[in-house]
Amino acid sequence: SQQGEEDPQALSIQEGENATMNCSYKTSINNLQWYRQNSGRGLVHLILIRSNEREKHSGRLRVTLDTSKKSSSLLITASRAADTASYFCATADSGSARQLTFGSGTQLTVLP
Amino acid sequence: DADVTQTPRNRITKTGKRIMLECSQTKGHDRMYWYRQDPGLGLQLIYYSFDVKDINKGEISDGYSVSRQAQAKFSLSLESAIPNQTALYFCATSDVDASSYNEQFFGPGTRLTVL
Repeated sequence: SQQGEEDPQALSIQEGENATMNCSYKTSINNLQWYRQNSGRGLVHLILIRSNEREKHSGRLRVTLDTSKKSSSLLITASRAADTASYFCATADSGSARQLTFGSGTQLTVLP
Repeated sequence: DADVTQTPRNRITKTGKRIMLECSQTKGHDRMYWYRQDPGLGLQLIYYSFDVKDINKGEISDGYSVSRQAQAKFSLSLESAIPNQTALYFCATSDVDASSYNEQFFGPGTRLTVL
C-alpha cells in the first residue's frame, strides 16, 4: 500500500509560475523525501526534511512538513519547462529508516 | 545515475520464462533495493539488502527472488514470468551511514514486458 499520497495527481502551469504539490502520509516517520522522475527514467533525489524540521529550502525548492497533520508540501518557484516531470514523496519509517515508502506521484507539466 | 547501472535496459519475454535483472553500483553503498513501478503509479518495494548476508522481503516479493553476489551486485529474478509482472523495475542504493537518512540513488530502470 502507498504510505504517501500526492495531490494533485496532475498539474499544468505556465513557465514562471509557482507549482505546489502536497503529500499526505499515515504513520510516524523518520524523514520525508521528494524525488523527481523524468519520463521513463530513474528517480533523482531532490530534498530531505527530517521529522523535527518544519521547512527546508534548496535553490528554487521549498519543502514544508507538518507532522501533526501528517502532510508535506513541495513548492517549486519560477518554474521552467525543464521542471516538467513526475514528483514523488517518500517517507522513511521512524527509527531505523530502513525502507522508503513512495506515494503515487504528481505529474507536473510546465508550458513554455 | 551512472553510478548505478542496470542490465538489460529493455526485455521482452514470454509467460513462464525465467528472467534475471542485474544491478551493479560503484558508489560503495551497503544497502541495495529493488522496486517495481507500474504505469501512473509510485514505486513498490520488492526486496532489499543491507549487506551480502542480509536479504529482506518488501511489500510485493511474491513471484520474485534476489541474490546479493557482492557488495556491488544485486540481482532480481522472476522464476516464471507472468504478464502482470510487466512493469518498470528500478534498483537503488543507499549509504549505511545513519546521517544519510536513507537518501536513495536510482539506476536508469529496466522495462520488462511479459507476453
